[in-house]
Amino acid sequence: QVQLVESGGGVVQPGRSLRLSCAVSGFTFSNYGMHWVRQAPGKGLEWVTVMSYDGNNLYYADSVKGRFTISRDNSKSTLYLQMDNLRAEDTAVYYCAKDRGISARPGTLHHWGQGTLVTVSS
Amino acid sequence: DIQMTQSPSSLSASVGDRVTITCQASQAISKFLNWYQQKSGKVPKLLIYDASNLDTGVPSRFSGSGSGTDFTFTISSLQPEDIATYYCQQYDDLPLTFGGGTRVEIK
Repeated sequence: QVQLVESGGGVVQPGRSLRLSCAVSGFTFSNYGMHWVRQAPGKGLEWVTVMSYDGNNLYYADSVKGRFTISRDNSKSTLYLQMDNLRAEDTAVYYCAKDRGISARPGTLHHWGQGTLVTVSS
Repeated sequence: DIQMTQSPSSLSASVGDRVTITCQASQAISKFLNWYQQKSGKVPKLLIYDASNLDTGVPSRFSGSGSGTDFTFTISSLQPEDIATYYCQQYDDLPLTFGGGTRVEIK
């Protein structure tokens, strides 16, 4: 079955960096667009970034543009999120999510990982 | 960015009640609207895509309708296991945006 497993979260000081990973299985990773979505403690869902199936198209929320970088390694079936210059307001659970399918309009978050908590605090 | 306004922010209903949540987009988004369910401490789960299509395995008591700017999500007969927060999300344009969520509780 489809599985997405995030890792790399933790406690980090403001201004520092962190790299999240999302290892997937159960589907052909290279056929699907992939997203990162975050949820601050007690708050709603906030979409962060997307990368197309082939890595050629990517887009960021304004709140992370210039600080976060999404990437993927299709040979390893793994999605990454490099987070630089972290701020307190980046504290959240970060989920990776698989798009519904190449035959569907991009943007439906069909399967989600369990999430990894990032805490930015001094 | 497209703003999604969801209402109510919370509701309390009895088991067996019909529950309705609305979601309004700040501009027309055709049918490109999803609904997710998030139970406490759990991962969000896709329930409905393209405004009205149930994802595989989703009980038929859940339904969605609407197009353009106004959308509705309905639980025809509320069950105890439906206690959760529900979010709408548009995918007509990037950035993807979510509604603020509706917390559903049992009265």
